[in-house]
Amino acid sequence: EVQLVESGGGLVQPGGSLRLSCTASGFTFSCCWMSWVRQAPGKGLEWVANVRQDGSEKYYVDSVKGRFIISRDNAKNSLYLQLNSLRAEDTAVYYCARVVGEYAFDNWGQGTMVTVSS
Amino acid sequence: QSALTQPPSVSGSPGQSVTISCTGTGSDVGSYNRVSWYQQPPGTAPKLLIYEVSNRPPGVPDRFSGSKSGNTASLTISGLQAEDEADYYCSSYTTSSTWVFGGGTKLTVL
Repeated sequence: EVQLVESGGGLVQPGGSLRLSCTASGFTFSCCWMSWVRQAPGKGLEWVANVRQDGSEKYYVDSVKGRFIISRDNAKNSLYLQLNSLRAEDTAVYYCARVVGEYAFDNWGQGTMVTVSS
Repeated sequence: QSALTQPPSVSGSPGQSVTISCTGTGSDVGSYNRVSWYQQPPGTAPKLLIYEVSNRPPGVPDRFSGSKSGNTASLTISGLQAEDEADYYCSSYTTSSTWVFGGGTKLTVL
């Protein structure tokens, strides 16, 4: 069974940093592109970033470019998202999601909440 | 990277059919057959319902179907059941190698 478990969320002040982790199990982690998707309270889903199987390609939504960094460690079956220069509008549940070859997100974690507030 | 356009809400009675539209542009929905749909009941993570416009993953009932015409994709749910009440989101891969989601549609089963 595919499992994705996020961790690392919490309360952080504006301008602060946080590192999210996603630990994968039940599949060969290196097979797949991986993504982060977020959802602000009471709002819709927003794709944030994704990373190629070997980490050589990374893409970001414009609103986080230059502030967030996606990375992965295939040896540890782990996906990461480094959040820097955080703003109130970054407050959201952050989901880790597996990308299948058909360009869809077929498995999601339970999410980790990030709150940016003073 | 503008969000795809979905109606905020739709409703239907048990047994009826409803259709949710998802309108994008020639840079996303119109460029590829890489449109997917997700169901999100309150307080839970999203679940993949449809991929590549009209394909269902194993375990998704055939009451859920997808289609596309030009820059607009659609999700149809037939034989509505109370358990279908949830938020539904479309998503499309884009020509910039990114993804974009729709704003979401709340389905109410009357």
